[in-house]
Amino acid sequence: GAGVSQSPSNKVTEKGKDVELRCDPISGHTALYWYRQSLGQGLEFLIYFQGNSAPDKSGLPSDRFSAERTGGSVSTLTIQRTQQEDSAVYLCASSLDREVIDGYTFGSGTRLTVV
Amino acid sequence: KNQVEQSPQSLIILEGKNCTLQCNYTVSPFSNLRWYKQDTGRGPVSLTIMTFSENTKSNGRYTATLDADTKQSSLHITASQLSDSASYICVVRKAAGNKLTFGGGTRVLVKP
Repeated sequence: GAGVSQSPSNKVTEKGKDVELRCDPISGHTALYWYRQSLGQGLEFLIYFQGNSAPDKSGLPSDRFSAERTGGSVSTLTIQRTQQEDSAVYLCASSLDREVIDGYTFGSGTRLTVV
Repeated sequence: KNQVEQSPQSLIILEGKNCTLQCNYTVSPFSNLRWYKQDTGRGPVSLTIMTFSENTKSNGRYTATLDADTKQSSLHITASQLSDSASYICVVRKAAGNKLTFGGGTRVLVKP
């Protein structure tokens, strides 16, 4: 597509439920990133994919968080047994992942509210 | 301590005035530095990107500077407009690997 697409744009869930967030990157972009932005806070790195593999998962805050990417394209971020502190905007970005300068394009995010 | 520090945290300016945002980083080795603008409820949008050898880069009323020796960058907004109200985020890419480090952002509010 023309940009990075994320769905849903908004999600309200009850504490303890599982949620799945989806990211559809720009076609041909091999690198995909997930970030989290809590209210009034900066962007927090969660995980980085190169193709279908995740060489850097260092930002995942707990084992309740997992992500996968299939076909080198769509990625899903899953949060199990959601907690109120998981409430945040989850942003996805993709890039061509060249050493030379290239753009990281962000989606508009999924606003997750855990009640 | 964050490897990318931005200041001030927030800023209020009058429409038509200029302002300068600061970004200091310790990320090493350095590959490039980007300034992003993030409107409320939207994803960040890239304003400028600078490599080690670049000192100044402009994008309309936005001018970024980089001093790779002191590891400092600034973003200057000229003749601010109401639409400049947003968060401005400094992002540094490490040369080894593909890791990005984000600053905490500066929230700018332009008042009429």
